[in-house]
Amino acid sequence: QKEVEQDPGPLSVPEGAIVSLNCTYSNSAFQYFMWYRQYSRKGPELLMYTYSSGNKEDGRFTAQVDKSSKYISLFIRDSQPSDSATYLCAMMPPSGTYKYIFGTGTRLKVLA
Amino acid sequence: SQTIHQWPATLVQPVGSPLSLECTVEGTSNPNLYWYRQAAGRGLQLLFYSVGIGQISSEVPQNLSASRPQDRQFILSSKKLLLSDSGFYLCANGGRGNTEAFFGQGTRLTVV
Repeated sequence: QKEVEQDPGPLSVPEGAIVSLNCTYSNSAFQYFMWYRQYSRKGPELLMYTYSSGNKEDGRFTAQVDKSSKYISLFIRDSQPSDSATYLCAMMPPSGTYKYIFGTGTRLKVLA
Repeated sequence: SQTIHQWPATLVQPVGSPLSLECTVEGTSNPNLYWYRQAAGRGLQLLFYSVGIGQISSEVPQNLSASRPQDRQFILSSKKLLLSDSGFYLCANGGRGNTEAFFGQGTRLTVV
């Protein structure tokens, strides 16, 4: 079993839709959770970073962590064609090794 | 703010030729540094990480090596490239004050 599972997509939605992107993980020691956006042929860009269970909002983006279910989500409201990209989840245990574990990414396409 | 510089952006090299990719970091000191490879449609594969000058941990046995001659410089090398070394190479820094990782813009390497 992979430590982090992420549906590769592609996920196609109409402009203005609410998008839900998800990752599940198996290691209950993971404590830090991140979401990255990666445009084609570019490096990943950090979108959201959360430490605890619950929700964190930043503009149109909301990151949600449910540690009891080992499940994290990224919601995008009022999706735009410019949101079309691959979204990667990442997490790290608190042990201090600083070895990030990444999902394989979900490719999102927002149709105008 | 932190900036990760990676060059070149694109590289085409013949099989058997040497490789040197350089990554430098601005805006932080004593960072943890990482080299990842991303194959098309796949996740990020951690190749090397470094917690300090001269300290390199290799994650995957391969045709590549890494060095950290200065605090904010990380170099990925090969003496003789293989076709299988083609991919998108990303440098990142993280941990140690910034739990989240920050990425450079990547180098797309094609070995022909």
